[in-house]
Amino acid sequence: GQNIDQPTEMTATEGAIVQINCTYQTSGFNGLFWYQQHAGEAPTFLSYNVLDGLEEKGRFSSFLSRSKGYSYLLLKELQMKDSASYLCVSVNSNYQLIWGAGTKLIIKP
Amino acid sequence: ETGVTQTPRHLVMGMTNKKSLKCEQHLGHNAMYWYKQSAKKPLELMFVYNFKEQTENNSVPSRFSPECPNSSHLFLHLHTLQPEDSALYLCASSQGTDNTDTQYFGPGTRLTVL
Repeated sequence: GQNIDQPTEMTATEGAIVQINCTYQTSGFNGLFWYQQHAGEAPTFLSYNVLDGLEEKGRFSSFLSRSKGYSYLLLKELQMKDSASYLCVSVNSNYQLIWGAGTKLIIKP
Repeated sequence: ETGVTQTPRHLVMGMTNKKSLKCEQHLGHNAMYWYKQSAKKPLELMFVYNFKEQTENNSVPSRFSPECPNSSHLFLHLHTLQPEDSALYLCASSQGTDNTDTQYFGPGTRLTVL
């Protein structure tokens, strides 16, 4: 089968750094997305990785290892507004999106 | 963000009612999607339209009926729903049609079936 594994919930402190991990098992691979979804709102795009390595975009970075079927989202200098769910999404060889259930990130003062 | 709009935002309906959800995208995109989002579950893709043509129907029950009159509008017609259909229904659009483009989501319709 095809699935995405990511932690259900994480807690971190304002100003700190947090890493949200995602492992994927899909038939083939054509990239991996991260989306952010605040409670009651639409998911919004954060990143798309198709090559191995780290891509940095401001306070957020996304890493991909295709050989390990592994990605992580790194959030630095956490702010209260970063409290949200983070969705990991893989694109398989048929260009279908395989969605994770999301990681709910709780930021505490 | 008003790129993708959805109405209504909230809907409560009985099992015998007929209602429709509306989605409109103002981004000039070529693909539109309906998703179902239930608590603590992955998004479930329901339907995909590329250039107004339905290209995917993920074994969705016939009580859900999509309609795409043009590339900017997408409807989801609902009839004789079940309580387990209660969920957040999200519409999305993308420029490309191969799922490697960013999808832009609407705010969703929170549906409750009594």
